Amino acid sequence: AQKITQTQPGMFVQEKEAVTLDCTYDTSDQSYGLFWYKQPSSGEMIFLIYQGSYDEQNATEGRYSLNFQKARKSANLVISASQLGDSAMYFCAMRELDFNKFYFGSGTKLNVKP
Amino acid sequence: DTGVSQDPRHKITKRGQNVTFRCDPISEHNRLYWYRQTLGQGPEFLTYFQNEAQLEKSRLLSDRFSAERPKGSFSTLEIQRTEQGDSAMYLCASRSGTGKSGNTIYFGEGSWLTVV
Repeated sequence: AQKITQTQPGMFVQEKEAVTLDCTYDTSDQSYGLFWYKQPSSGEMIFLIYQGSYDEQNATEGRYSLNFQKARKSANLVISASQLGDSAMYFCAMRELDFNKFYFGSGTKLNVKP
Repeated sequence: DTGVSQDPRHKITKRGQNVTFRCDPISEHNRLYWYRQTLGQGPEFLTYFQNEAQLEKSRLLSDRFSAERPKGSFSTLEIQRTEQGDSAMYLCASRSGTGKSGNTIYFGEGSWLTVV
């Protein structure tokens, strides 16, 4: 079974609007971390935001927030006030904290329209 | 710049040749990862080091692939007898393993390999 599922291969959003990128995960562990990374066309993977499974509040980092719904096993990324520079691939990832490996989804390509 | 650095950034090689990639992690990070990424896919785990010990290897890492981290600092990933299917971006990442930020891996800019 896939550990991380991203069902949106591509998304469009109008500049200055908010957008939600979906991510669901599969684990039977109680202790895990969820991550989002941005990958521009240049290729580098840029860390955006982290959510621990025991964190009671949703993580926020500037214009990024993570909508964590533990019972539904979802960890959606919300980008507020989209900018043209947000156009990139976005990857959701998970690590079960007793282990070392990070699992990545297949990504969502976000295009921000002017 | 104190981020993860990788060298070379781009490599074009003929099928059958050997290639080696180098990764210098963030200096205080003792955990180091190699991932492979092909076009349109997410990164796939290859191997993991804690200090100089290689603790985990993926089945993707065939006998032609070898990774080392001899002094627990920089790491090398060598591919012998390259095949066209090895064409991909090879990503290195590191994490400290301590504190909340220690749960996060930070990536280098990747090394693009094209096998012709």
